[in-house]
Amino acid sequence: ETGVTQTPRHLVMGMTNKKSLKCEQHLGHNAMYWYKQSAKKPLELMFVYNFKEQTENNSVPSRFSPECPNSSHLFLHLHTLQPEDSALYLCASSRPGTDNEQFFGPGTRLTVL
Amino acid sequence: QKEVEQNSGPLSVPEGAIASLNCTYSDRVSQSFFWYRQYSGKSPELIMSIYSNGDKEDGRFTAQLNKASQYVSLLIRDSQPSDSATYLCAAPVSGGYNKLIFGAGTRLAVHP
Repeated sequence: ETGVTQTPRHLVMGMTNKKSLKCEQHLGHNAMYWYKQSAKKPLELMFVYNFKEQTENNSVPSRFSPECPNSSHLFLHLHTLQPEDSALYLCASSRPGTDNEQFFGPGTRLTVL
Repeated sequence: QKEVEQNSGPLSVPEGAIASLNCTYSDRVSQSFFWYRQYSGKSPELIMSIYSNGDKEDGRFTAQLNKASQYVSLLIRDSQPSDSATYLCAAPVSGGYNKLIFGAGTRLAVHP
């Protein structure tokens, strides 16, 4: 595997379900990110992790819970989501630092019924 | 003013023409810029990075940064139908460690 991978690629869940999204990067980076992309809206940064520590939470509702066990893996735990949470969830990674390029995974298309 | 602004388009150009995509930014972003290409249903793909004033060329792509006027552009020469996608401009937030702000994107359509 190369680059940034995400699983699952598609997910349909009910509002009472609990599910998790997984991201893995094979680029030797130490910063990882979760973004949300809804239809006709700009990419929204959700969380940033640097060296496994969360450095940014962009006012994300608590029904989204990130976890970063090491610099290569990032999870997004989902519970009691709402239909408006349906979106493309993208993981990215980079070297730490302000001006470093971010590389995206293929995304998980989430539908909440 | 939003930190990073782009015209949503669509920008329609004939095959073989030069496509010009523009992005303006506010003082709230650091002056490094990234251009991403996003095909429908896919994730953003980094195609150009520019860190200093002037032009940077990579194949058919040229990024231009004008700090005095606070805009950055992406030129695509000899446009191909395969270039049809949404192009996203992004910049780091000043003082925001690792935090990128994305524009809404410009949709480009290259017609044969």
